Amino acid sequence: EVQLVESGGGLIQPGGSLRLSCAASGFSVSDKYMNWVRQAPGKGLEWVSILYSAESTDHADSVRGRFTISRDISKNTVYLQMSRLRVEDTAIYYCARDLASRGNYQNYGMDVWGQGTTVIVSS
Amino acid sequence: EIVLTQSPGTLSLSPGERATLSCRASQSVSSRYLAWYRQKPGQAPRLLIYGVSSRAPDTPDRFTGSGSGTDFTLTISNLEPEDFAVYYCQQYGSSLYTFGQGTSLEIK
Repeated sequence: EVQLVESGGGLIQPGGSLRLSCAASGFSVSDKYMNWVRQAPGKGLEWVSILYSAESTDHADSVRGRFTISRDISKNTVYLQMSRLRVEDTAIYYCARDLASRGNYQNYGMDVWGQGTTVIVSS
Repeated sequence: EIVLTQSPGTLSLSPGERATLSCRASQSVSSRYLAWYRQKPGQAPRLLIYGVSSRAPDTPDRFTGSGSGTDFTLTISNLEPEDFAVYYCQQYGSSLYTFGQGTSLEIK
């Protein structure tokens, strides 16, 4: 069964750091592009980061320079390292598998989602 | 950055009716990169439609995606109780994704 399970969320003070994990099963994270998407309380969806390969990533302007997406193929896990956290980073963070992969750009979208992990940034 | 604007913000209909949801982009979107999601309360989003009109596995055929350029539509015919949720359109372009703000489909 294809599945994503996020962990690592919690309560953190402004300016702090946190690392989220997304453990994948049923496929290899090296075979697909991977994303993080967040949802602030009562708000819509906001794309955060995409991992194309170990050497190629991209981030939304709102987190660029503060967040880093990466992966550990041996653990089949994707990470989101978050630093210099702000109150406005408070959200549920979802990990999502992309339809696209290296060599297959026919479609983009997110076909598998985790259940999310909650990050609260507050003093 | 391409901005997606969804309308209406809220749509009130009864089971069995047809829903028409709109998604308008600030610039032309590649048809291959336009998707629709449904999110029920307390759940993660679920992919319904990708590539404007291709149904994801397990998406019922009462869901139909259409459109091109800057105007896209999700039509849901014969609404069922599980369809009352929030719907988001999404596009990929210039190495980033953007989502619309969502349309809430509620029971009348």
